Amino acid sequence: SQQGEEDPQALSIQEGENATMNCSYKTSINNLQWYRQNSGRGLVHLILIRSNEREKHSGRLRVTLDTSKKSSSLLITASRAADTASYFCAGGGFKTIFGAGTRLFVKA
Amino acid sequence: GAGVSQSPRYKVTKRGQDVTLRCDPISSHATLYWYQQALGQGPEFLTYFNYEAQPDKSGLPSDRFSAERPEGSISTLTIQRTEQRDSAMYRCASGTGEGNTIYFGEGSWLTVV
Repeated sequence: SQQGEEDPQALSIQEGENATMNCSYKTSINNLQWYRQNSGRGLVHLILIRSNEREKHSGRLRVTLDTSKKSSSLLITASRAADTASYFCAGGGFKTIFGAGTRLFVKA
Repeated sequence: GAGVSQSPRYKVTKRGQDVTLRCDPISSHATLYWYQQALGQGPEFLTYFNYEAQPDKSGLPSDRFSAERPEGSISTLTIQRTEQRDSAMYRCASGTGEGNTIYFGEGSWLTVV
């Protein structure tokens, strides 16, 4: 029943490398959002990209959206150990549906 | 309030008991959401409110689950006759409207023994 499916399910990289996570979704969306969750704690909103946008930047984050392919990607540049977390995409209207997440592990 | 507040943070209950979880959203937010999150999984949509109206409760797993938001602010999620499979984190979130950013509370951990 989840809207988004993230790929890969898990990713392990060295500090300083870039991390790319992909999300595919099933139905039409007004926007797509990315969230971070550290070790089962609260969900923190990272970035929102609207359906009429193709790319958006926020600090070390870069998000792309391709509505024709129903897909989005999240790029974290120059990763840090503190970026270790699960990352979720979420989309929809009022009924915002989350994917299963990508677990990112950044090794110091 | 400044953020979304949920209580209790942790709840252990015996199978068959009823449980009520509370959510106090960001005060200016019209929309309130409830999600269920199992360990290692993404949040699963349960229901949402627009003020006091509850347009979509399609995610509620069974009729043992119900939610209310009678005055369009604080909301409760009640699980009747709890079962072990109800053990999960229950997350409340609020937002300003359709498709806008939603902000999550810290969640309520429910363990049914």
